[in-house]
Amino acid sequence: GAVVSQHPSWVICKSGTSVKIECRSLDFQATTMFWYRQFPKQSLMLMATSNEGSKATYEQGVEKDKFLINHASLTLSTLTVTSAHPEDSSFYICSARGVSGSLINEQFFGPGTRLTVL
Amino acid sequence: AQSVTQLGSHVSVSEGALVLLRCNYSSSVPPYLFWYVQYPNQGLQLLLKYTTGATLVKGINGFEAEFKKSETSFHLTKPSAHMSDAAEYFCAVRARYNQGGKLIFGQGTELSVKP
Repeated sequence: GAVVSQHPSWVICKSGTSVKIECRSLDFQATTMFWYRQFPKQSLMLMATSNEGSKATYEQGVEKDKFLINHASLTLSTLTVTSAHPEDSSFYICSARGVSGSLINEQFFGPGTRLTVL
Repeated sequence: AQSVTQLGSHVSVSEGALVLLRCNYSSSVPPYLFWYVQYPNQGLQLLLKYTTGATLVKGINGFEAEFKKSETSFHLTKPSAHMSDAAEYFCAVRARYNQGGKLIFGQGTELSVKP
């Protein structure tokens, strides 16, 4: 139980295009999902927290117009990297926290999405 | 503000040897504590967590960690390393009384296992 998927697992795009990454909780409902960014050999950096049905809360220094987050349902959150540039190339990981019981105290992580912008 | 420090960005052990990965936290109130493992190009998998109760926590794959309040530590150990343990390990904390609290990650420790 408590499985989180991400799609796509990897994507290569041209500079200036937009890329959408999906994060789904497959067997539980998630009121809160988190988006992280990870550079090679570095730790995870929290980009934003999204709550179902409301606007995402972005961490300091993260451009909300650059990284659009939508959490339209209890099982799906999307991250759109708009007008991507090579410096946006990174490993993006989402996590989800459940609505009740033991699921509320733990974040379950997706497998990540490798974005390469040419 | 909370913070997490992992001592040693890279640890190398021989197969069969003891694994010890260090984690210290800074927080006015003992937080929830987590250890995650990450294999190359994959997400994070929870190894174990401490929320309350017994301070020695056993996790998956033979790992365990002990919460020591006096030392503000939550070191991860495994008695005998296996080649498959080679990965990146992250210690993380979350504020105890804030259900909406974020995970704060340490910088990670890369574990290498020599045959």
